[in-house]
This record gives sequence, structure tokens and C-alpha cells, in this order.
Amino acid sequence: EVQLVQSGAEVKKPGESLKISCQGSGYNFNSNWIGWVRQMPGKGLEWMGIIFPGHSDTRYSPSFQGQVTMSADKSITTAYLQWSSLKASDTAIYYCAIYFSDSSGCAFDYWGQGTLVTVSS
Amino acid sequence: SSELTQDPAVSVALGQTVRITCQGDSLRSFFASWYQQKPGQAPVLVISGTNTRPSGIPDRFSGSISGNTASLTITGAQAEDEADYYCLSRDTSGNHRGVFGGGTKLTVL
Repeated sequence: EVQLVQSGAEVKKPGESLKISCQGSGYNFNSNWIGWVRQMPGKGLEWMGIIFPGHSDTRYSPSFQGQVTMSADKSITTAYLQWSSLKASDTAIYYCAIYFSDSSGCAFDYWGQGTLVTVSS
Repeated sequence: SSELTQDPAVSVALGQTVRITCQGDSLRSFFASWYQQKPGQAPVLVISGTNTRPSGIPDRFSGSISGNTASLTITGAQAEDEADYYCLSRDTSGNHRGVFGGGTKLTVL
């Protein structure tokens, strides 16, 4: 069974750093893109970026380039999303999901349960 | 970059057919995938590719595309179909980037 299990909710202050995780199991972690999706309170889904754990290739949405860093540890089949200095506007639910993309289109096949990040002074 | 436009809200009577649309230039080159999200839950893939339903998705869900418009059709809407629906497609800038539509809230009356 394919599973993506995300780390628990976080409450942080502006300016603090944070790294959240997404552990995959039941599939070939190294050979599939993992993506991150943001959902701000009461808002829609936003495509943030993807990482290919096999060679740590990353692609970011222009909206998130330079704002977050994606990484992966193949040895523990875990992907990460991190911030060096959080802002209140980073308050959101962050989902990881397995991402498929080819010449015909793309899709997020399997999703994690989401990690709620709250940034407040 | 690309943009995908969805109607913010659509309603359908129980048992009737509803079409949720997604418009954007990238859809002339790429198929859309569709996601259902119920309150407090993670999104779920309901349609991908030409018209592929993942295991467990009822066959009342179907997808199509014409020109720059992708559609998700629910034939015989059920009360449990009330949810937010999002389309996703490739960004025309390449590099496997994707972009979501703004989402459509479906109400089943």
C-alpha cells in the first residue's frame, strides 16, 4: 500500500526556521517525483514545487523559488520542505504528494495527510 | 507561466448531471487532472490523463477536453459529491511544473 506520512502540526514565530517531513512507503521512492502543495486558510491549492529523490533534482514554482527549500533523504525515504525565516503569510496546510508528469500532462496520485504550519507572534 | 480558471461555485440537484469546467491556454497542449477535496481532508485524485479514474473512484466521474477547456462531469450527482474540485495541468514554461485552477465549490441540492 502506497503511503505518505507527514510530520505533525507546528506553531512557530516569525523569523524562525522550520523543516517538515513526508515519509513515503509502498512504492519506489527514488524513482518518483514528490511534490509540495500549499493551502492557505480558506483558500485553494497552490503548486509549490517538486523533487526527484533519486538525484535530488528540484523544480520550483516562480512564486516559491527562493522562499522554501526542498530536499530528500533516500536512506529513510523522506522528503523535506524547509524555511529559513518564516513569515505570518506562511501559515497554511502543506501537503506532499507523489507527482507524475509526462508529455500529456501531470497528476498528484497519492497524498499525505497534510501538515498545518501556524506562524504567529 | 500559465493560469487555469474555474467557476467559484456550481450547484446541482441530487441525481442530476453537472459539469465543472477549467479554462486555460495550457489545456491546448496538456490534459487536466481533477481533485476532490472535502472539508478537513486531503485532496483526492478523481480523474487523470484522457479520462482515467483511480481505483475506488465511482464511474459517475468522467473527464473530457475541448480546445482550451477541460471538464469534469458527474453523472447522477450524489450528496457525498458535495466538495471543492480543483483542476491541475502542466505549466507551458516546461520543466514539469504544474498549476492548479482556483477551485469550484460544488453544492448538491
